[in-house]
Amino acid sequence: AQSVTQLDSQVPVFEEAPVELRCNYSSSVSVYLFWYVQYPNQGLQLLLKYLSGSTLVKGINGFEAEFNKSQTSFHLRKPSVHISDTAEYFCAVSVYNQGGKLIFGQGTELSVKP
Amino acid sequence: KAGVTQTPRYLIKTRGQQVTLSCSPISGHRSVSWYQQTPGQGLQFLFEYFSETQRNKGNFPGRFSGRQFSNSRSEMNVSTLELGDSALYLCASGGSGGRGEQFFGPGTRLTVL
Repeated sequence: AQSVTQLDSQVPVFEEAPVELRCNYSSSVSVYLFWYVQYPNQGLQLLLKYLSGSTLVKGINGFEAEFNKSQTSFHLRKPSVHISDTAEYFCAVSVYNQGGKLIFGQGTELSVKP
Repeated sequence: KAGVTQTPRYLIKTRGQQVTLSCSPISGHRSVSWYQQTPGQGLQFLFEYFSETQRNKGNFPGRFSGRQFSNSRSEMNVSTLELGDSALYLCASGGSGGRGEQFFGPGTRLTVL
């Protein structure tokens, strides 16, 4: 079975500061990795994905993430956050070649303060 | 391309009733998945349909069921509603590549009184 752990439930940060949201996963088989963002009263928007290839992936809104297979981690980073980045962020995995079932972490609430 | 649409957006029901939620995927997508989101349990996978067949199933009781039509639109049904079924129900659509990349709709907020 697969599981995802987001190590911080809440991350407060000041505007223009860098941020890292941490995600670890557990799986005995190959997985794909995703980060989604959810703004209040909305669905989930795909930020970025790791399917294969380069371990550093870039996404929308200036976010990037690095896949580390040895540490089974997929941390999300942004060098300078904006007030508009305030939202909940979810890390998720799906099993290689097994369709659309996503397993999510519990989410990290990013709060950007002026 | 139009995104994933879900109807209705909000729903209020009472215990014991049943409810049907609808989802239209992105044009060309054949996979539709359903998720339940609650503050306590987070995002949990309900089931996935691909080409009218259930491809994956989560750990929910049989009161939760779904189906997919030939045009890829999907419906989810919950019978004998319980207070704990109050949640945001999210639908997601994906392509046929099996990579798990899902695009989500805005959700249906179900409140059970």
